[in-house]
Amino acid sequence: EPEVTQTPSHQVTQMGQEVILRCVPISNHLYFYWYRQILGQKVEFLVSFYNNEISEKSEIFDDQFSVERPDGSNFTLKIRSTKLEDSAMYFCASSERRGFYEQYFGPGTRLTVT
Amino acid sequence: GEDVEQSLFLSVREGDSSVINCTYTDSSSTYLYWYKQEPGAGLQLLTYIFSNMDMKQDQRLTVLLNKKDKHLSLRIADTQTGDSAIYFCASGNQAGTALIFGKGTTLSVSS
Repeated sequence: EPEVTQTPSHQVTQMGQEVILRCVPISNHLYFYWYRQILGQKVEFLVSFYNNEISEKSEIFDDQFSVERPDGSNFTLKIRSTKLEDSAMYFCASSERRGFYEQYFGPGTRLTVT
Repeated sequence: GEDVEQSLFLSVREGDSSVINCTYTDSSSTYLYWYKQEPGAGLQLLTYIFSNMDMKQDQRLTVLLNKKDKHLSLRIADTQTGDSAIYFCASGNQAGTALIFGKGTTLSVSS
């Protein structure tokens, strides 16, 4: 069964450093998403991406964040200058269609900022 | 803004039925979802229901939707220890571009 994959599974970085989290969505999916889950908190929407553009972003997704689909298979989330409060589990998801959709989630990348 | 609320904990005995409840605010949500998260794992889509349905059954899972009260429930029949996990209720936002999640209900099943 096709699945969303994410690398790395765990990333430790120092405050102020840039990190890139990588995702490979399901191959025939056209819509891509990033969510995050701070420990013990809700899963929060960050951004959705379609046709090489951001479709929607939340208040969390400020100028420190960016997304990119650098080739036909990868979808990345970059945090330019990490803060302690960026420590969270970051989930990538993809879906075939907008509106009627099933978002399939990857296993997540645990980001720890020290 | 749009919000989803659910109770935080539920404890049941193996073999009993579990009912996890959820309320949501966005009346325009077309689909409502239940996701399962096992320890250290990602979010697994369990089931979803279209907003014009009242009920959906899928093997041991039954989803009930009361659109008037904006109340969604997930019933797990014959609950097993392997069902122990966090269950998230989610609604689609108005634009259909994002899921709004609740905090998750931790289901603990004892033998």
